[in-house]
Amino acid sequence: GAGVSQSPRYKVAKRGQDVALRCDPISGHVSLFWYQQALGQGPEFLTYFQNEAQLDKSGLPSDRFFAERPEGSVSTLKIQRTQQEDSAVYLCASSPSGGERQFFGPGTRLTVL
Amino acid sequence: AQSVTQPDIHITVSEGASLELRCNYSYGATPYLFWYVQSPGQGLQLLLKYFSGDTLVQGIKGFEAEFKRSQSSFNLRKPSVHWSDAAEYFCAVGASSSASKIIFGSGTRLSIRP
Repeated sequence: GAGVSQSPRYKVAKRGQDVALRCDPISGHVSLFWYQQALGQGPEFLTYFQNEAQLDKSGLPSDRFFAERPEGSVSTLKIQRTQQEDSAVYLCASSPSGGERQFFGPGTRLTVL
Repeated sequence: AQSVTQPDIHITVSEGASLELRCNYSYGATPYLFWYVQSPGQGLQLLLKYFSGDTLVQGIKGFEAEFKRSQSSFNLRKPSVHWSDAAEYFCAVGASSSASKIIFGSGTRLSIRP
């Protein structure tokens, strides 16, 4: 299919480990978004890219979280020294332009033990 | 600060009955408003959106929503629900002119009684 894909779908990490989550947006989509969804909650905005430029990273909860999109397509969300509170589903979305119509991927469920 | 409130955590309705899911928002300017649906094993899907113009917005799957500025509300409605509508529903507000930062509510889980 031509939707947004994310990998891995599930990730288990020991506390203190680094993890990298990948997002493949829909081809040609300019904008890319990352969200964190805790159990029983709505998604919370983390960061936003327009092409390779990270225009808004106000939602990143700490400096342990880092996102990049070096060629304006695939994006990686990296979490360093994972903590138990980082356990959540991480959602990626892409959009043809701004955020008016975002297409979401299936998410990566991260469990930190 | 922008925020979205969905006062109903869980709603159960009978198949064929009408549905209304409540959403209230807080935003200083004209909001961009959205309803998304999340089914188990599937990603979030956009049901409908309001940016401007007609305050009654039609969406996919027979859903509609009405923007009421005076009440800061954007309630979702469907005249007759189907068992396949069971899912989690999220109201959201766009927090910038390009809606690049979207604030989601905590969601309403909809169950359908046979």
